[in-house]
Amino acid sequence: DIQMTQSPSSLSASVGDRVTITCRASQGITTYLAWYQQKPGKVPKLLIYAASTLQSGVPSRFSGSGSGTDFTLTISSLQPEDVATYYCQKYDSAPYAFGQGTKLQIK
Amino acid sequence: QVQLVESGGGVVQPGGSLRLSCAASGFTFRTYAMHWVRQAPGKGLEWVAIIPYGASNELYADSVKGRFTISRDNSKNTLYLQMNSLRAEDTAIYYCATGDELELKGDYFDYWGQGTLVTVSS
Repeated sequence: DIQMTQSPSSLSASVGDRVTITCRASQGITTYLAWYQQKPGKVPKLLIYAASTLQSGVPSRFSGSGSGTDFTLTISSLQPEDVATYYCQKYDSAPYAFGQGTKLQIK
Repeated sequence: QVQLVESGGGVVQPGGSLRLSCAASGFTFRTYAMHWVRQAPGKGLEWVAIIPYGASNELYADSVKGRFTISRDNSKNTLYLQMNSLRAEDTAIYYCATGDELELKGDYFDYWGQGTLVTVSS
């Protein structure tokens, strides 16, 4: 089975900073990659699908890139409301594995 | 608007059974693949199972294969998860989520329910 590995596991940054989270697949998944945001105590929310397509209603400061095995989620200017855990997920085929998550906090 | 409402969670002893339901509304349920995803307390997300819109070829995570069964009733717009031989490590919030529509858009999870908590403990 394909494994998804995120880095870093946790991250602290200042408001206004550019933040990048990396996700690596153990085998190529073309662009079948989604990113989710889960705020504390809340339900996960889809941010990006097809590696780089922004879900409707998601702020444009979020962007995704990559293909094959290496992917990134970028927040261009960190806002206080972006405090959350971020997960990548492969969806090319089952099992639909998630990365272990990256916990993002404000410095 | 899309709504997914899970129910059926609770406390069960190891080895016991539980059936979760997910009532769907606000979209054409029969044309969507549906998933169950779980999250153990303080842990990450774990995909559990998928049932395609055609209700055949269900697939499961290795951790639940042979113990859990996913099913759907399109006449009731409801998704189910029958959980047997429950273990302590099955303790989690269980979410239902929408997947691919008619195998056209991709199996990412656009909509999620609020989740239902399953606790396996003696």
